[in-house]
Formats: sequence, structure tokens, C-alpha cells
Amino acid sequence: AQSVAQPEDQVNVAEGNPLTVKCTYSVSGNPYLFWYVQYPNRGLQFLLKYITGDNLVKGSYGFEAEFNKSQTSFHLKKPSALVSDSALYFCAVRDGAYGGSQGNLIFGKGTKLSVKP
Amino acid sequence: DTAVSQTPKYLVTQMGNDKSIKCEQNLGHDTMYWYKQDSKKFLKIMFSYNNKELIINETVPNRFSPKSPDKAHLNLHINSLELGDSAVYFCASSPADRGFYEQYFGPGTRLTVT
Repeated sequence: AQSVAQPEDQVNVAEGNPLTVKCTYSVSGNPYLFWYVQYPNRGLQFLLKYITGDNLVKGSYGFEAEFNKSQTSFHLKKPSALVSDSALYFCAVRDGAYGGSQGNLIFGKGTKLSVKP
Repeated sequence: DTAVSQTPKYLVTQMGNDKSIKCEQNLGHDTMYWYKQDSKKFLKIMFSYNNKELIINETVPNRFSPKSPDKAHLNLHINSLELGDSAVYFCASSPADRGFYEQYFGPGTRLTVT
């Protein structure tokens, strides 16, 4: 069965510092990995995804994530955090077997990012 | 224009009532979803429709019945509402039922059952 873990409930960062939000996953086939962000009282917004190819993927708002197959991780990073980055971040995984046509998109429990001025 | 819209945004109702939440997407996508986000922000899929046909029906009480009149709409009807149904319900869509597509989410409907 596929699963995704976000080990930190909350990450606190000072503005201007780099940030990392951690995610590890488990699937039987190759993973399709996603990061979404949820601002208060809003729906989820897509940030970036890894399907295949380069392990470092770049996404919206200056975020990037690195796929590490040996560590089954897909950590979200940003070189310089902004106060406006404060939000709830979700990692999600879907099993890429059969072109990803089987199974569901499974979400982690979310990590609250707080960026202080 | 809002890509994925839901109505209503807030829904407060009493136990035992029947209610519906509507969802529309103007992205031309073939696949639509319903998710439930509980009070701890845990997000779980409920249903998935591809071109008006049900393809995923997770372990959801049969009081919940999705209806897709066309591929741009996926409505959620809930019968005999219970306190535990209180949550935020999100509609989403993707171009097709392939796992490499990202999903586009609506703003959510906060359902409160009293």
C-alpha cells in the first residue's frame, strides 16, 4: 500500500533563511510525487511535481524539491523564505505503475510552515 | 474566471437533514474528485469520476452520493447528515485519470452539522 509521511507538524523559519519541509513516501512502483500548499480558508494549490527525469524539480514561488530514490524522500526547499510563504504544505504520492491509472493520490498530514519577520 | 468553483462556501445544517454541494470546473478536464478534510487537516479522497463515470469510491457511507450530469460538474449529495460529517469538502479536477497530472482544487465547502 502506498503512503506518505511528513514527520514535522510545524516548521519555523526566519524570513530570509532557507527552508526545508520533509516528506518520505512508500509505493510499490515508481512514485509520482507532488507538493501542494494551502493558505488559510483556501483550497490546495499545486506547487510542483516529480514524475521522471531530473531529481531536482522547480516549481511555483521559488520552491524546489529533490527526489531521492534511495532515501524515498521528496523534501521541499526554498533558498530564502518569505513571510508570505507561511501556510500548510502537503506532500502527496501516487503509484506510477500502469501510468498512474490505478490507486489514489495519497496526502501526507501536512506541515505548517511559519515564517517570522 | 475561477477554474474550479464550489457552492456553497459555507453550509450549516442540523442532523438528519439532506444537503448538496455543487462543483463546476471550466478547465475542460475529464476527471473530477471529491475530498474530505477533517478538523486535523487530514485530506482523504472520497470519489473520483472520469468522463461522468465513477472510477473511485473509497470507503464512504452510502449516505454520500455523487452525481455527474456532465464532465464539467460533479455534485455531492449527503443524506441524513451526522455530526461526524462536519468537515471541509474539496472538489478537484485533472485533465485525465493519469497519476502524473496535478489536480486543481476548488475553494472548499465548510459543512457544519449541529
